Amino acid sequence: GAGVSQSPSNKVTEKGKDVELRCDPISGHTALYWYRQRLGQGLEFLIYFQGNSAPDKSGLPSDRFSAERTGESVSTLTIQRTQQEDSAVYLCASSLSRTPTDTQYFGPGTRLTVL
Amino acid sequence: DQQVKQNSPSLSVQEGRISILNCDYTNSMFDYFLWYKKYPAEGPTFLISISSIKDKNEDGRFTVFLNKSAKHLSLHIVPSQPGDSAVYFCAASAPYNQGGKLIFGQGTELSVKP
Repeated sequence: GAGVSQSPSNKVTEKGKDVELRCDPISGHTALYWYRQRLGQGLEFLIYFQGNSAPDKSGLPSDRFSAERTGESVSTLTIQRTQQEDSAVYLCASSLSRTPTDTQYFGPGTRLTVL
Repeated sequence: DQQVKQNSPSLSVQEGRISILNCDYTNSMFDYFLWYKKYPAEGPTFLISISSIKDKNEDGRFTVFLNKSAKHLSLHIVPSQPGDSAVYFCAASAPYNQGGKLIFGQGTELSVKP
């Protein structure tokens, strides 16, 4: 079946511009996570959604970052007034539920470069 | 504050030999651990996991060992194959009441030479 998809695969933007990244989770997965990986580092949790519950935004690095999810479908991560330190690969993952033993399946990521 | 640490950024082994990747954690509340494998330009893929009620979990060539008293886990791959060359991430799952978010180490790049 279809896995997690993300678009665009690459995004180059100028400092100060806004960007929007999209994630399509696996159908039927109620939990959706956003992570980012900066160069040479591990994955860093940003935000997660579980069904209609309030999202856990505890990992968002600043108020320039926001995310939305409509029901149990597509999610968008928006970064306003991008900075060079926002350059990273942004990864989305989905799982059946938020239970830790439910495997998180990752998309291929969006590579964001802020010039 | 790095709660999950992989202190070796890279590891090189010969095909057919054992690969041992190490991971340390600081939070004693973690009770579920995972290893993910990542190829370039792809997302991480789940490899193997272990619950804190166990000290070993085996799946084919992959075995994960957990030493709770030392807050240490390791991934053994035997025999290693060139196709195993990838970056391996150790991760701990946050407790259920904090959602299923994963806390990752920095990764270890494994190179298996023919």
